[in-house]
Amino acid sequence: QVQLVQSGAEVKKPGSSVKVSCKASGGTFSSYAISWVRQAPGQGLEWMGRIIPILGIANYAQKFQGRVTITADKSTSTAYMELSSLRSEDTAVYYCARDSRDSYGLYYMDVWGKGTTVTVSS
Amino acid sequence: SYELTQPPSVSVSPGQTARITCSGDALPKKYAYWYQQKSGQAPVLVIYEDSKRPSGIPERFSGSSSGTMATLTISGAQVEDEADYYCYSTDSSGNHSPVFGGGTKLTVL
Repeated sequence: QVQLVQSGAEVKKPGSSVKVSCKASGGTFSSYAISWVRQAPGQGLEWMGRIIPILGIANYAQKFQGRVTITADKSTSTAYMELSSLRSEDTAVYYCARDSRDSYGLYYMDVWGKGTTVTVSS
Repeated sequence: SYELTQPPSVSVSPGQTARITCSGDALPKKYAYWYQQKSGQAPVLVIYEDSKRPSGIPERFSGSSSGTMATLTISGAQVEDEADYYCYSTDSSGNHSPVFGGGTKLTVL
């Protein structure tokens, strides 16, 4: 049973960057994609982007283009999400999730990490 | 941009059937997925590919989709089913961009 273990909570200053990690265990890391989803306090889920580790290819939601970078290290089965130019509105819980393919070949998230709280405050 | 629309809240008594809807123009051509999120916890997949149930999800959870609307049904809702529920799908563009619905707060009391 695959598990995704995320790094600990972060407190950042506006304008800085944060890098959150997501380590997979119990499965074949390169066989899946990894998505990042965030949830601001009291708000809904928002997809940020995903990476296909075996290809090293990432794609991002238009809203975060230019500000988010998702990478993966196959040797350690770890995915990373780095968000730059942080502002208070980026205060949220950031989740990684394993993407599986449906019968159309499209991705959906089936296993989630527990989340990493990122607080942006001066 | 593409949107999936859910009612903000649904309320039922224990043992009743709860139905949560999700509407989207691309749903006739795309699967719908449903996630349960209890307070302070990560989301959990409860329905995939419109109507399939992952292992470990109780049989009272079922899903259906017709036209532009997908529905999550909880037959005989339990107090422990109280949670936020999110539908998920992709748009019909070539990018197949992922989209979540706004979420529905299910109250069972």
